[in-house]
Amino acid sequence: DQQVKQNSPSLSVQEGRISILNCDYTNSMFDYFLWYKKYPAEGPTFLISISSIKDKNEDGRFTVFLNKSAKHLSLHIVPSQPGDSAVYFCAAVQGGSEKLVFGKGTKLTVNP
Amino acid sequence: EAGVVQSPRYKIIEKKQPVAFWCNPISGHNTLYWYLQNLGQGPELLIRYENEEAVDDSQLPKDRFSAERLKGVDSTLKIQPAELGDSAVYLCASSFDRVAENEQFFGPGTRLTVL
Repeated sequence: DQQVKQNSPSLSVQEGRISILNCDYTNSMFDYFLWYKKYPAEGPTFLISISSIKDKNEDGRFTVFLNKSAKHLSLHIVPSQPGDSAVYFCAAVQGGSEKLVFGKGTKLTVNP
Repeated sequence: EAGVVQSPRYKIIEKKQPVAFWCNPISGHNTLYWYLQNLGQGPELLIRYENEEAVDDSQLPKDRFSAERLKGVDSTLKIQPAELGDSAVYLCASSFDRVAENEQFFGPGTRLTVL
């Protein structure tokens, strides 16, 4: 059973607009969340993270929002750029487990 | 600074043959991970090392998979014998410490095709 769910396999947006990638989780013991970005033929690279004690974390064009009551987080990219086109993975950590649980990923395409 | 190095990048073998993947983590990273990524899925942890000790191998299919990190630096993952369902990308990652919140640095992966 998928504990971390990314229900949108793909997303297409226009350059300059906002990209919103969503992630839901089922395990209420998760207390840290990360987003990784992956280009073809490369390994995932860390993008941004958020602790469960926060509801927002911002880093430049990237902002992650966490809604604990809904068990939902989202990654906002503003403005979107063609170089942002990649697969984005949501991952979660259960405190003390030291193990990342990944979603299936969402392929973002930013059109010029 | 060099990132996580993996070799080979691609491997094609026939079923029932053995195969081995090699990983060299970032210098100074004591924690090393092997992940399996099937097509259309996220990475799934196979085994985690802290130095030379395998501290989490609960997801490693031990009947055919084995791994080692003898000197606590580079690591080898082996499959013997390979099955058709083993076709996937095998990712290696490393981090400075065992805490999962620490950023894990991934290598480019080895794409295995079993015919």
